[in-house]
Formats: sequence, structure tokens, C-alpha cells
Amino acid sequence: GEDVEQSLFLSVREGDSSVINCTYTDSSSTYLYWYKQEPGAGLQLLTYIFSNMDMKQDQRLTVLLNKKDKHLSLRIADTQTGDSAIYFCAESNQAGTALIFGKGTTLSVSS
Amino acid sequence: DTEVTQTPKHLVMGMTNKKSLKCEQHMGHRAMYWYKQKAKKPPELMFVYSYEKLSINESVPSRFSPECPNSSLLNLHLHALQPEDSALYLCASSQDSGGSNQPQHFGDGTRLSIL
Repeated sequence: GEDVEQSLFLSVREGDSSVINCTYTDSSSTYLYWYKQEPGAGLQLLTYIFSNMDMKQDQRLTVLLNKKDKHLSLRIADTQTGDSAIYFCAESNQAGTALIFGKGTTLSVSS
Repeated sequence: DTEVTQTPKHLVMGMTNKKSLKCEQHMGHRAMYWYKQKAKKPPELMFVYSYEKLSINESVPSRFSPECPNSSLLNLHLHALQPEDSALYLCASSQDSGGSNQPQHFGDGTRLSIL
């Protein structure tokens, strides 16, 4: 079945770049997603990438997709303390009816 | 600000109570979802409504009863819940479901505590 794997923790200093990695199994996913969840809040759709793209940039966020290796990464440039949160990688299931989430990466930013 | 609105934000109820969670979106989306999220875990899908009809029930116990009165509203009726049902309940919507893989937009959730 579909599966999404992420590392659980990442700690960076303010101003550094953060890179959160994700691997997925379902090569038929049309889109791959990154969601951010701050403490006590819901999930915020950060960005998503269409499967026929290699890269997408949106201000401080860069998403890289390697379809051959089924590897997705999210780079946050100039990481700020407000970026501290849990980041979920997600793909659609084969029917496109539901999201399959990774376990989430907790990003901790120290000043 | 989220475009999916959930009420209430917090709910404490006893095991014999009946309560409802509400979700509203005005983005014209035709698919709506309920997820359950336990602490430090990813969300787990419970129900999917597509064009106001229940299309997916992920083997959820009958003490959870979803309802979609119209294309903008989604309710989750709760009755005789167990302590292990305490969690964050998230509502989401997307343009439609099935095949198009449209992004899902989430509300801030209702934090439910069962005494």
C-alpha cells in the first residue's frame, strides 16, 4: 500500500536553511504536498508540487521532487523562530480520494 | 486565516452526552472530509463526502455520525464516546475528490476531550 516516510526531528539555528526530506511509495500521485502544523492549530497547506515538475519555488520555500527515487524535499531559506512547527509530507492515495501523511517532522529553530 | 471554519474550538463531554462538531467552507468545494488526529501523530481519515454524498467511511465506529446538510456544511454527531476518542478533529475541503487530487484545505480543528 501507499506509505510516506519522514525523519522525525530537525533542529536548526535562526537564519540557517532547513531541509526536510520525505520518501513516498505511490508513483501515480498527481500532486505531493507539504503541510505545516503549529501547536494547537490545524494543518496549513504550505505548498504542493505537480508530479511532472522537478522544482517549485515560493518565496523562502523550495520544493524538490525526484520521481525516480520517489524523494521529496522542502527547503526553508533563512529559517525563523516562527517556522518552528511540525511539517507533514503527504501524497494522494491511488483513487485520489484521501491524503496519505508521513509521521511529521518537528522543526525546532533556536535563536 | 483559514477558509475552513470549525466550531467549537474546544469541547469537553461526558461519555453519555450527545454533541455535534460543525464545519463550514465557502470556497465552492464539493468534497469535504473529517480527520482524527491524536497528539504527535498524523491525521487519520474518517469520512469523505463528495457532492454531499458519503463516499468513504474508514470503518469508523457508529458512535460517530457524519452529516452533510449542503455543499458548504459538514457536521459530525457524537454519541456515547469513549475516552480514547479524545483527539483533535479536523475538517478539510477540496474542489472535488477522486482522480483530480486537488489540494485539501484544513480548518483549525475541534479539540475534543471525553471525561
